[in-house]
Amino acid sequence: SQKIEQNSEALNIQEGKTATLTCNYTNYSPAYLQWYRQDPGRGPVFLLLIRENEKEKRKERLKVTFDTTLKQSLFHITASQPADSATYLCALDPSGSARQLTFGSGTQLTVLP
Amino acid sequence: DVKVTQSSRYLVKRTGEKVFLECVQDMDHENMFWYRQDPGLGLRLIYFSYDVKMKEKGDIPEGYSVSREKKERFSLILESASTNQTSMYLCASSWTADNEKLFFGSGTQLSVL
Repeated sequence: SQKIEQNSEALNIQEGKTATLTCNYTNYSPAYLQWYRQDPGRGPVFLLLIRENEKEKRKERLKVTFDTTLKQSLFHITASQPADSATYLCALDPSGSARQLTFGSGTQLTVLP
Repeated sequence: DVKVTQSSRYLVKRTGEKVFLECVQDMDHENMFWYRQDPGLGLRLIYFSYDVKMKEKGDIPEGYSVSREKKERFSLILESASTNQTSMYLCASSWTADNEKLFFGSGTQLSVL
């Protein structure tokens, strides 16, 4: 069966450092991979999307990589700030239409001042 | 900005009650979704709709039904609420196109006693 694993449920890092979150998947061939941010008591908010033929995507302090051979995506936040503290979810999409997204359970990131 | 509005932030219901969760979006999106989110399990798709009066089962449709009479409104119905349906319910919407992302509401925390 399809399985998505996000590394550790919780990750603590010091302000200013780079946070790296991992999303691994098995028995799946996604065409797209998305990352969302979720704050407590709120719905997820879309951050970045990367296609299977793209190795890397950047947006301001965010960087996503997608390795279909390793079946892994890495999500980096550089120069992290306490305001980056949230839960980050990866989601796999086989078609790009967002109708069949499969979400991981998320990694809770805490950036310590 | 896209707005997805869920009618209630918190609901408390009794076992056996019929429960309606309402969701409205203001961006003329074709697709609307209902997810539930439980600790450690991530978001799981209950139902989605790609057009008025159209619906598709997601991964966990048992015990739920949906209604989409107007394009902007998507309702989730628990015919006879049970304690294992206590959860955070999230509505989302999207356009139909390549590279699509989901826009989420703030969620409804439902407790069934």
